[in-house]
Amino acid sequence: NAGVTQTPKFQVLKTGQSMTLQCAQDMNHEYMSWYRQDPGMGLRLIHYSVGAGITDQGEVPNGYNVSRSTTEDFPLRLLSAAPSQTSVYFCASSWTGGRGSPLHFGNGTRLTVT
Amino acid sequence: GENVEQHPSTLSVQEGDSAVIKCTYSDSASNYFPWYKQELGKRPQLIIDIRSNVGEKKDQRIAVTLNKTAKHFSLHITETQPEDSAVYFCAASTDRGSTLGRLYFGRGTQLTVWP
Repeated sequence: NAGVTQTPKFQVLKTGQSMTLQCAQDMNHEYMSWYRQDPGMGLRLIHYSVGAGITDQGEVPNGYNVSRSTTEDFPLRLLSAAPSQTSVYFCASSWTGGRGSPLHFGNGTRLTVT
Repeated sequence: GENVEQHPSTLSVQEGDSAVIKCTYSDSASNYFPWYKQELGKRPQLIIDIRSNVGEKKDQRIAVTLNKTAKHFSLHITETQPEDSAVYFCAASTDRGSTLGRLYFGRGTQLTVWP
């Protein structure tokens, strides 16, 4: 099993550009989520999904879109990149989200918006 | 929603000493409390977790305690080693209500173990 795979590892965008961060898992997990990590701020939830076709907002959803058309994939779209979106992004999945099953994290995507 | 606070934000200990990191939570319905370790430049990884029907759990040099009445839980690392140096995150979640399945993280503790 590859676990949770994120691409790309690094990305530099100009303000206003759009892009999609990819996330795929091969563990048949129902729950998938996106976090951003900024110094001193911990891990903040952007969006999450409890199954194919179901998504919901987390703490910091503005400027991001998600969709979940399959169990395996959960892409994160930046609509119009802003410098405030410079961060490290982690995708994570689990059997049941926070209901007693551990989150498996991808290796992260380091995004810089200039 | 749930609010998780974590202290201290930084912790330095001598190799062989113990380290304790404390977290408090606000939602009395929270019932699952995992701890994650994140080494520099790497992804967070689960090191131990505890459920609300258990007061303490141990795994070798790591232990977690939970006080449901006071709504706080702690990570204890004994006989610390330089490889324990990392950022540690606590988290809490509930399996009830509108926030079903969401995991709320503390802001992290940078632990440094000096040889």
